Amino acid sequence: EDQVTQSPEALRLQEGESSSLNCSYTVSGLRGLFWYRQDPGKGPEFLFTLYSAGEEKEKERLKATLTKKESFLHITAPKPEDSATYLCAVQANTGFQKLVFGTGTRLLVSP
Amino acid sequence: DTGVSQDPRHKITKRGQNVTFRCDPISEHNRLYWYRQTLGQGPEFLTYFQNEAQLEKSRLLSDRFSAERPKGSFSTLEIQRTEQGDSAMYLCASSATGGSRRHRFSSYNEQFFGPGTRLTVL
Repeated sequence: EDQVTQSPEALRLQEGESSSLNCSYTVSGLRGLFWYRQDPGKGPEFLFTLYSAGEEKEKERLKATLTKKESFLHITAPKPEDSATYLCAVQANTGFQKLVFGTGTRLLVSP
Repeated sequence: DTGVSQDPRHKITKRGQNVTFRCDPISEHNRLYWYRQTLGQGPEFLTYFQNEAQLEKSRLLSDRFSAERPKGSFSTLEIQRTEQGDSAMYLCASSATGGSRRHRFSSYNEQFFGPGTRLTVL
């Protein structure tokens, strides 16, 4: 069964203190790995899709990377507005469209 | 161009009552998904439509749950005889299929989520 594990569960950073979030996955065959940001009480906001090992994507202070077993979301010089829960999800290449999500990493960036 | 919209945003009901939620996907997206999210967890897949056809259903979708997408546009999710365990955030998402022309919500395969409907069953 496809599975996603995210670590740490929660992370507290000072403004400007860079760090990385981890997403480990097991999937029968990877079609895509997705990163979302979710603010309290809101729906997930799409950030990135990664399709193959070695792929990297960047958006402002965020950079996502992918290997055959895990993905990292690197946050460079975070700001308080980056505080949110970051969700990782995988989609298998079995023909099914569903996303399988991890439980997320709650990030708090203090000024 | 608007994103995915859901209605209502909040619903409080008593145990045993029926509730219905509506989702309007992004225009030009022919795929629509329903997920459920409880506190501290990631979204869990419930069901998926391509146009009006319901193509995938999770075993989480008990016989009290039914979803429709009659004209391939908006979708409804109905829960009959609600139970306290049904309390959750119900999320709708939509995506384009390959070949759709790009606009700010396209990009083949990415699922874009709505704001959710928060259900509380008393």
